[in-house]
Amino acid sequence: EPEVTQTPSHQVTQMGQEVILRCVPISNHLYFYWYRQILGQKVEFLVSFYNNEISEKSEIFDDQFSVERPDGSNFTLKIRSTKLEDSAMYFCASRTSRLATSDTQYFGPGTRLTVL
Amino acid sequence: AQKITQTQPGMFVQEKEAVTLDCTYDTSDQSYGLFWYKQPSSGEMIFLIYQGSYDEQNATEGRYSLNFQKARKSANLVISASQLGDSAMYFCAMREVYMDSNYQLIWGAGTKLIIKP
Repeated sequence: EPEVTQTPSHQVTQMGQEVILRCVPISNHLYFYWYRQILGQKVEFLVSFYNNEISEKSEIFDDQFSVERPDGSNFTLKIRSTKLEDSAMYFCASRTSRLATSDTQYFGPGTRLTVL
Repeated sequence: AQKITQTQPGMFVQEKEAVTLDCTYDTSDQSYGLFWYKQPSSGEMIFLIYQGSYDEQNATEGRYSLNFQKARKSANLVISASQLGDSAMYFCAMREVYMDSNYQLIWGAGTKLIIKP
């Protein structure tokens, strides 16, 4: 069964460093998402991406964040200068269908980012 | 603004018993969808079941069913014949549509379910 994959599973970085989190969505999917989950807290929406551009982003997704689909398979989240509060589990999700009313987002296994 | 409330931070259930996880929601939209996801200790987020607001039947997927009570704005997850492998965090989420073809998920705080042998 097709699945969303994410690499790395765990990333440790120093504050102020840039990190790139990678995702490979399910191949026929059209919409891509990043969410994050700070330890012990709710899952929060960051950004959605469709047709090679951002279609929606949350207040969390400030200028330190960017997303890219560099080729036909990868979808990346870049954090330019990491802060301690960026430590969280980052989930990539994807879905197919143009109809918002009838589709499910499938999640990858997550990347646990630890900022020291 | 839409909101999801899960009032049970944790539950202990005996193996093989049925368990109900509560979820209430608040929305002014007429068309909406509700999802349940399972998050084991390994961290991945696993889709379990979906209920659309216009679906006349309660959704079922194997041992999972959704007790959807629209007037009460509740969408409780029922797990029948619980198993040790059901121990996990369970999240209720609602679809927030921001354009005809796209949506984001709004999440509840989750319920930690522990199945006792």
